[in-house]
Amino acid sequence: GENVEQHPSTLSVQEGDSAVIKCTYSDSASNYFPWYKQELGKRPQLIIDIRSNVGEKKDQRIAVTLNKTAKHFSLHITETQPEDSAVYFCAARRGEGGKLIFGQGTELSVKP
Amino acid sequence: GAVVSQHPSWVICKSGTSVKIECRSLDFQATTMFWYRQFPKQSLMLMATSNEGSKATYEQGVEKDKFLINHASLTLSTLTVTSAHPEDSSFYICSARDLLGTRQPQHFGDGTRLSIL
Repeated sequence: GENVEQHPSTLSVQEGDSAVIKCTYSDSASNYFPWYKQELGKRPQLIIDIRSNVGEKKDQRIAVTLNKTAKHFSLHITETQPEDSAVYFCAARRGEGGKLIFGQGTELSVKP
Repeated sequence: GAVVSQHPSWVICKSGTSVKIECRSLDFQATTMFWYRQFPKQSLMLMATSNEGSKATYEQGVEKDKFLINHASLTLSTLTVTSAHPEDSSFYICSARDLLGTRQPQHFGDGTRLSIL
């Protein structure tokens, strides 16, 4: 079945450093890849997404890259700030009506 | 502001009680809603896909008689945890699919923290 693997499970960086989180997916028909930020006890918040017809997308300090051949995509956060500390989830979806399959999550800690 | 409203946000009840959780799309019609369960420090696990006017589609390993889903209107889906036990304690989150939305195709509710004593 569909599967999304996410690494690392925890990541600690100094404020100002960059953070990279990587995901691989198994379903080659997946065509939509969102990234969510979830703070403790709250809803996941969409922070960036990418579709399979694009290789890279950037929004200020956040960027996502997609390698369809290798079936992996990555989240890059530059100039990290303490408020970036949260759990980040990647996900993959097939088609417009398909379900989201989530990765295991990465707990990011940005130390001031 | 929130486009998906989920209630209640927090429930504590005795073992054996049935608990109903509501998920409403506030300003769009949602023919499909999704129900997730999230245990502490774990990922969101899809439990079922709720389709308006038809039966829900349950993921493997999820008991349909235990987790009753009703999606009777285009703006409301409900999840009822029947005869809840302590192992059902979890964070339950719904999401609604917005086919016409350009910002994001799925909106999440705030979640319901269920604690069974």
